[in-house]
Amino acid sequence: QMAQSPSSLSASVGDRVTITCRASEGIGSFLAWYQQKAGKAPKLLIYAASILQSGVPSRFSGSSSGTEFTLAISNLQPEDVGTYYCQKYNSAPYTFGPGTKLEIK
Amino acid sequence: QLVESGGGLVQPGGSLRVSCVASGFTLSNHEMNWVRQAPGRGLEWISHISSSGASTYYADSVRGRFTISRDIAKNSVFLQMNSLRVEDTAIYYCVRADDGYLHFDLWGQGALVTVSS
Repeated sequence: QMAQSPSSLSASVGDRVTITCRASEGIGSFLAWYQQKAGKAPKLLIYAASILQSGVPSRFSGSSSGTEFTLAISNLQPEDVGTYYCQKYNSAPYTFGPGTKLEIK
Repeated sequence: QLVESGGGLVQPGGSLRVSCVASGFTLSNHEMNWVRQAPGRGLEWISHISSSGASTYYADSVRGRFTISRDIAKNSVFLQMNSLRVEDTAIYYCVRADDGYLHFDLWGQGALVTVSS
């Protein structure tokens, strides 16, 4: 099980926002973050809890503490609108979190 | 890239096979997965096949009804779906796992499967 919070948030351009994901058991660093825009396939942002995927802006970052994982987006931009999912991939089932819908005020 | 095909409309209890053709890489070097998304809902991982093809895994929601397979010669992955239910209606994504860290690094555009009478 992957618990993710908040389920939605609204922030202004230039803000810093954080999304948290908590695993129900130890998963090491086998945690990824994805961004999904409306009508599109998900896009990988971060893997191994904190490694930025090539081509992803550096305003995205990931961190972890035990079974709690955080995605931070600094200097929020209009194109960051979408839904964000965490996922564990240490072993099957490769469960996704329920998602966080991010809107711009 | 990954390109899915084979989606469509099927009646409850029916069967459908979704295909995924890979290009630019060799399937035998990667584990592959299927992830689905029901309308307005989140992402649900449903199936995995190992890089050797020897191991497969399924979500509880589809185990016993769906079968993942691959054809190395065609560089393709398949999802055979039997005993379909209305709740199987979703976009089905073919997804590659990175050959090192194993995160899901490449997604297809998805194939829409609609189960309805």
